[in-house]
Amino acid sequence: DADVTQTPRNRITKTGKRIMLECSQTKGHDRMYWYRQDPGLGLRLIYYSFDVKDINKGEISDGYSVSRQAQAKFSLSLESAIPNQTALYFCATAQAGSQETQYFGPGTRLLVL
Amino acid sequence: QKEVEQNSGPLSVPEGAIASLNCTYSDRGSQSFFWYRQYSGKSPELIMSIYSNGDKEDGRFTAQLNKASQYVSLLIRDSQPSDSATYLCAVNNRIKAAGNKLTFGGGTRVLVKP
Repeated sequence: DADVTQTPRNRITKTGKRIMLECSQTKGHDRMYWYRQDPGLGLRLIYYSFDVKDINKGEISDGYSVSRQAQAKFSLSLESAIPNQTALYFCATAQAGSQETQYFGPGTRLLVL
Repeated sequence: QKEVEQNSGPLSVPEGAIASLNCTYSDRGSQSFFWYRQYSGKSPELIMSIYSNGDKEDGRFTAQLNKASQYVSLLIRDSQPSDSATYLCAVNNRIKAAGNKLTFGGGTRVLVKP
């Protein structure tokens, strides 16, 4: 079984709809992250959480919110989806420490019409 | 100015040759550096990490770090068609007492031709 899972893997939605992307991990890591990837723009950090009670905005948090329900779960919500949120979304996890190598989930491909 | 810079490519190399990828970063306080490989439509996969100046070898991959010059490179020896992918350079920085944050370059696309 995969250590980091994301659901759904693909999603098509309409402008104005609220959607939630979910991330679960069995690695026992403290840190969890949400990124989006757009062609030519690389990976950009949306939100991150260093433990269950910690939520931090990344470089592109507008239009998004997150919830860290437990150590193993980190959800990303788009409150009112818009077409420019069409992208590939990745969750990542890392163990607390000096280096904190990040490991990525398989990604969610989101299309907002 | 981008914090982590990579040539977007494509870098075209013949099968069996050495592919050389470069990455520069702006934050002198950066402590750890990573190379991820990403196939089209797939998630980034860690292939190398390096924390100290010098070379680190793992199989056909060698990472090189020069903190004084603020660059990190990746060499792929005996390149294979399966190495055709986008390679992402990532730099880890301490952002607060609680933890670190990765900053990614835009990636270098590598094409290995048989």
